[in-house]
Amino acid sequence: EAGVTQSPTHLIKTRGQQATLRCSPISGHTSVYWYQQALGLGLQFLLWYDEGEERNRGNFPPRFSGRQFPNYSSELNVNALELEDSALYLCASSLKRLPYRDTQYFGPGTRLTVL
Amino acid sequence: AQSVAQPEDQVNVAEGNPLTVKCTYSVSGNPYLFWYVQYPNRGLQFLLKYITGDNLVKGSYGFEAEFNKSQTSFHLKKPSALVSDSALYFCAVRDIDYKLSFGAGTTVTVRA
Repeated sequence: EAGVTQSPTHLIKTRGQQATLRCSPISGHTSVYWYQQALGLGLQFLLWYDEGEERNRGNFPPRFSGRQFPNYSSELNVNALELEDSALYLCASSLKRLPYRDTQYFGPGTRLTVL
Repeated sequence: AQSVAQPEDQVNVAEGNPLTVKCTYSVSGNPYLFWYVQYPNRGLQFLLKYITGDNLVKGSYGFEAEFNKSQTSFHLKKPSALVSDSALYFCAVRDIDYKLSFGAGTTVTVRA
């Protein structure tokens, strides 16, 4: 069974540009989560999508946004990039049905570098 | 809000020796606790979780964790460490809205 996949692996942008990161969940999973792992800040929750709806977002500015498509894949958009947005962005997916909903399985991440 | 703490930034052990990575939690209600491992330039791999039931949870790659309610701890253990266990380990707690809150991580180095 294929795991969570993310693309691209690496992304280099300049300040002020927009970045788009993509995630495909494990087959059968309907929930997608996004986390940011920045140096010195640890792992922080960004967004949660379930069945096409945004269910929760972390303490990030509105320029971090995303969506979930009918096939449950997801996209994270970061507008007006700032240097401090440089980080590893991790996507995770989980089943909807309890108790399986509790385990989030992570992809390999997208390394975003803002110059 | 739920939170976890990993009091040790680094743990160093010799191969073949027992490995323990510490985690304490602070929650309101029942804790849903997880351990993940991250290898260099990789995502997180799920090791094990405690939702309810037995206090000793067995997981992947020979790891286990002991849930201790009185000490609010959820320490990760492995009876005999391998060099390949060298990685960054994260303890996490699931919040009521299903997001995970992670500890700062513990770097484990197993020397041959």
